Amino acid sequence: DAGITQSPRHKVTETGTPVTLRCHQTENHRYMYWYRQDPGHGLRLIHYSYGVKDTDKGEVSDGYSVSRSKTEDFLLTLESATSSQTSVYFCAISDGLAGGLNTGELFFGEGSRLTVL
Amino acid sequence: AQSVTQLGSHVSVSEGALVLLRCNYSSSVPPYLFWYVQYPNQGLQLLLKYTTGATLVKGINGFEAEFKKSETSFHLTKPSAHMSDAAEYFCAVSTIPGGFKTIFGAGTRLFVKA
Repeated sequence: DAGITQSPRHKVTETGTPVTLRCHQTENHRYMYWYRQDPGHGLRLIHYSYGVKDTDKGEVSDGYSVSRSKTEDFLLTLESATSSQTSVYFCAISDGLAGGLNTGELFFGEGSRLTVL
Repeated sequence: AQSVTQLGSHVSVSEGALVLLRCNYSSSVPPYLFWYVQYPNQGLQLLLKYTTGATLVKGINGFEAEFKKSETSFHLTKPSAHMSDAAEYFCAVSTIPGGFKTIFGAGTRLFVKA
C-alpha cells in the first residue's frame, strides 16, 4: 500500500472554528491532492499541489486553503468551518507521467470524516 | 478546463450480463483517462488507464475501456458481471499542463442482481 496517512481520521467541530487536516506521504511523490466526497457529487477537487510551495485551486476551493512546505506534507485548512463543509475528505498522491516509470495513478489515503455542527 | 460526465448515477445488471458504464470528458489538451473503483467503506483503487498508444485498454477484474477521441468518450465495459463487481465507479481525466490536475466524475454505482 502507498504510504499515505491522513489525520485526524474523524473530527466533529462547531461552526466557525478553524480546522486543519493533514496528509503525510512517504512515497516522495510530486503531486498531492485534496478531494471531498459527497453523495451525488463524487470526488470534487479542492486544491492540489505540483511541488513544494506550488499549489493551485480546484473545483471547490472557496473556504479552503492549503500549504505544502515539505514534499511529504500537504495541509488543508478550513479557516472558519461551516455545515456545508461536512464531508469525507480524501488526500491523494501521484508521481504524474513525466518519467518512464511514472504511471499517473493516484493513490488515496483512507479519508478524514469531518462533521461541522 | 477539463471536466468529466458520467451518464447514470446508478446502473443495475443481472449477474452474467454485460456491464457498460459511460464516461464523456472535456479537455482542451490531450487527456489522460482513468477508471477507479470504490468498494464500500474503502478508498479508491485504479481499474485501468489510457495515457498514449492503444486506445483499447484492459484493466483488472476483466474490465476494459476504449478511448474514442472523436466522441470524447471512455466507456467502461465488462462482458459478464459478477456479484463482486458491485461498487461505485469513477471516471477521471488528468492533464499535464497545469500540474497534472485530476478531475473526477460524479460516479456510477453498479448493482448486480443474482
